[in-house]
Amino acid sequence: AQKVTQAQTEISVVEKEDVTLDCVYETRDTTYYLFWYKQPPSGELVFLIRRNSFDEQNEISGRYSWNFQKSTSSFNFTITASQVVDSAVYFCALSENDNNDMRFGAGTRLTVKP
Amino acid sequence: DSGVTQTPKHLITATGQRVTLRCSPRSGDLSVYWYQQSLDQGLQFLIQYYNGEERAKGNILERFSAQQFPDLHSELNLSSLELGDSALYFCASSVWPSSGANVLTFGAGSRLTVL
Repeated sequence: AQKVTQAQTEISVVEKEDVTLDCVYETRDTTYYLFWYKQPPSGELVFLIRRNSFDEQNEISGRYSWNFQKSTSSFNFTITASQVVDSAVYFCALSENDNNDMRFGAGTRLTVKP
Repeated sequence: DSGVTQTPKHLITATGQRVTLRCSPRSGDLSVYWYQQSLDQGLQFLIQYYNGEERAKGNILERFSAQQFPDLHSELNLSSLELGDSALYFCASSVWPSSGANVLTFGAGSRLTVL
């Protein structure tokens, strides 16, 4: 069964610092999909990115970037020049080959202080 | 607004009671998922429905049941409630089946407190 580990329970940074959220996954499938979701204080889960197992290209979207490394089974998320509005809980998730059971990590609570 | 509507937003009830949580999926989405988020268990997948039929089942207790109606809205029924059932219950929807894995669009959640 798939498993997602987010070892960092809480991270606190000061505004404008860069921060990396770690995600390590386990799966036996060769085809799988990785996701990041953001849960702001309002509580709603917001989709950030999906990556399939055949695409190891890193992705950048504004201040957000993702580093996918199959060799280390990691899919890390970096926020550059963090802002207070980035304060949220961030979840990494894994879905195996269109399996409907999307497994989430425990989440990392990021606090960005002014 | 994600387009996924969940009611009620908050619910307080007593142990042993039964409640129903309702979800309307995003327009065009045929699949509905239910997740439970609690402090000790994190985000747990409960069950998925596609076009009225159950498609996948996760860690859903026997005291819980769900269904999806012809208009595609879904209800999650929680009965014989226990203190440990206090949690945030999320509904999500997606276009499924689709090529590649689904991107789930989540509702705002229903916070259940069992006293």
